[in-house]
Amino acid sequence: AQSVAQPEDQVNVAEGNPLTVKCTYSVSGNPYLFWYVQYPNRGLQFLLKYITGDNLVKGSYGFEAEFNKSQTSFHLKKPSALVSDSALYFCAVRERNTNAGKSTFGDGTTLTVKP
Amino acid sequence: NAGVTQTPKFQVLKTGQSMTLQCAQDMNHEYMSWYRQDPGMGLRLIHYSVGAGITDQGEVPNGYNVSRSTTEDFPLRLLSAAPSQTSVYFCASSKGTGGSLGNQPQHFGDGTRLSIL
Repeated sequence: AQSVAQPEDQVNVAEGNPLTVKCTYSVSGNPYLFWYVQYPNRGLQFLLKYITGDNLVKGSYGFEAEFNKSQTSFHLKKPSALVSDSALYFCAVRERNTNAGKSTFGDGTTLTVKP
Repeated sequence: NAGVTQTPKFQVLKTGQSMTLQCAQDMNHEYMSWYRQDPGMGLRLIHYSVGAGITDQGEVPNGYNVSRSTTEDFPLRLLSAAPSQTSVYFCASSKGTGGSLGNQPQHFGDGTRLSIL
């Protein structure tokens, strides 16, 4: 079985400050890890993914994520937040080498960036 | 490319009515799935398909049916609507799930907002 935890329902940061949205996961084997963003009344949009190799993954809109195998974490980061980054963020895990390839999503974290 | 298209965008039903939520993708993706999104509960998988003619149940399949007669279309049917099925429904697709395709992200439609009275 696989699971994802996003321990913070809400993250508030000031514009220009760094932001972190936390994600921890549990999976039997090795994971593929994803971050998605959702704006109001829209579907989820892919931000970045971890496959293998470098633990720091860079994605869209200046976001990056750090994979930590020992802590089973995949935290989303951005050095300088923008008001337009305000949205709902989802972390997802998919176990490698499974035929079904189902993804499990966290409950989401609402990011609010204040001017 | 249109990507993943869901219709209708909004729907209000009465308890006991049936309806079909439509989902179509034009990316030739093998894997398609349906999720429901409820406040504080993230996305929960209803049904999924790894290719035409193949479907399987997800986490919350009761009260829903699916079929996959073509690669492009993956409709979701509510058999007898209940207030507990009030939710936002998302369809998603990806290239595949096996081998190197397993790391491909999902593409989502913009959802169908369903209210059941």
